[in-house]
This record gives sequence, structure tokens and C-alpha cells, in this order.
Amino acid sequence: DAKTTQPPSMDCAEGRAANLPCNHSTISGNEYVYWYRQIHSQGPQYIIHGLKNNETNEMASLIITEDRKSSTLILPHATLRDTAVYYCIALPHTGANSKLTFGKGITLSVRP
Amino acid sequence: EPEVTQTPSHQVTQMGQEVILRCVPISNHLYFYWYRQILGQKVEFLVSFYNNEISEKSEIFDDQFSVERPDGSNFTLKIRSTKLEDSAMYFCASIRGRTAYEQYFGPGTRLTVT
Repeated sequence: DAKTTQPPSMDCAEGRAANLPCNHSTISGNEYVYWYRQIHSQGPQYIIHGLKNNETNEMASLIITEDRKSSTLILPHATLRDTAVYYCIALPHTGANSKLTFGKGITLSVRP
Repeated sequence: EPEVTQTPSHQVTQMGQEVILRCVPISNHLYFYWYRQILGQKVEFLVSFYNNEISEKSEIFDDQFSVERPDGSNFTLKIRSTKLEDSAMYFCASIRGRTAYEQYFGPGTRLTVT
């Protein structure tokens, strides 16, 4: 699985967009970019995933660069409840046998 | 919304004792996982399970660990003889099927070995 790198932390103001970057320069053609988050020692929670097109769901948007070497997770209107560790993970979509390999992630602090 | 549940939320045990951590995955899910997270460290994969067999296991998952799906709903992780370094949060996860994307995680069991 491709290695991903994320800054250790960032903060943003409540109500503003939070843009969380991720580098995955060694990503291969069959690897998807997944984002999960973990709120204060709770179980990780799936957010979104994508291959090469930008994706949007009710939680977030995912922007993947054309060369697929980096991506940005966007929380359009961050709330205090979005304070969490966010993990960017690259892995082949082989369906159910894809174990998740978590890095240190990026700690997002949303300030009032 | 369906969710993965885990019991107990917190287990305290003495070194050398056996513990069983229990998980009830989402009912129509077919693939199951255990992960652990030592305090302040990364979430680590332990084992995946499908069709009553282990699909993959990590180096951490040694002979002291075992998993079982004793009935149609529960999925258990047993640690035969606990060590101090087994103290961690243990998360169960499940996924619907081969073409599904999203792993659903439970709230975790905090295991404290004294």
C-alpha cells in the first residue's frame, strides 16, 4: 500500500472550511484514497473515498490532483464536533479483505 | 442506523488471565476485523475473518490471540494469557461484502492489564 504523509495538526475556526492535505506520491493506479476520522478514542469513522475524480458526500468533499499524488479533504463548514484525528489511507479496492493501515493522521482542532 | 456494538466497554484484568472481548457486527455484514490502539499510538490491524476462517493476521496476532464467531451474531477476540503490553483499546469492525468500501467500527473495549 502506498505511504501517505499528512501534517501533524491544523486548526480552523468554526463555520469555516477545513482543508486537510495528504500526500501520496507513490500511489499506484489501482489504489483508492480513503479518509477516516477518529473522534477522541472512539472507533474510526469512514468519511469518503475516491480514485481520481473529485467526490462529495454529506460529510465532506475529496479533491484529488490530476496526477493523483496528493489530495485534500474539505469539510465545508467545520463544527466543534469535527475536532478529531483524520487519516488519509491509500489502498487497493479489493473489497472486504482490505485491512486499513492507519498512520498518525492529522489532528484537526476546530476553535469557536 | 445499524451499528457495531462491543462489550464490555472497559475490562480490567490481571496479568496472565484470559479475556474475551465481544463484538456484535452489523447483521448483514460478512467480513469482520479486530484492530487495537495502544494509548497515544496508531490504530493497528490485528486480524480479518470471513466465512469462519481467518483471512489475514498481523505479527501482533500471535498464538495468545484467537477469534471466533460462535453463533450468527457474535464475533469474539480471546487473549489467552494477558500481558501488560496488551493494555489498549480494541476495536471491532465489519464490512458488508466484497464490493463494499466502508468499514464500520464499534466504540471499542478498553482493556487494562494490571
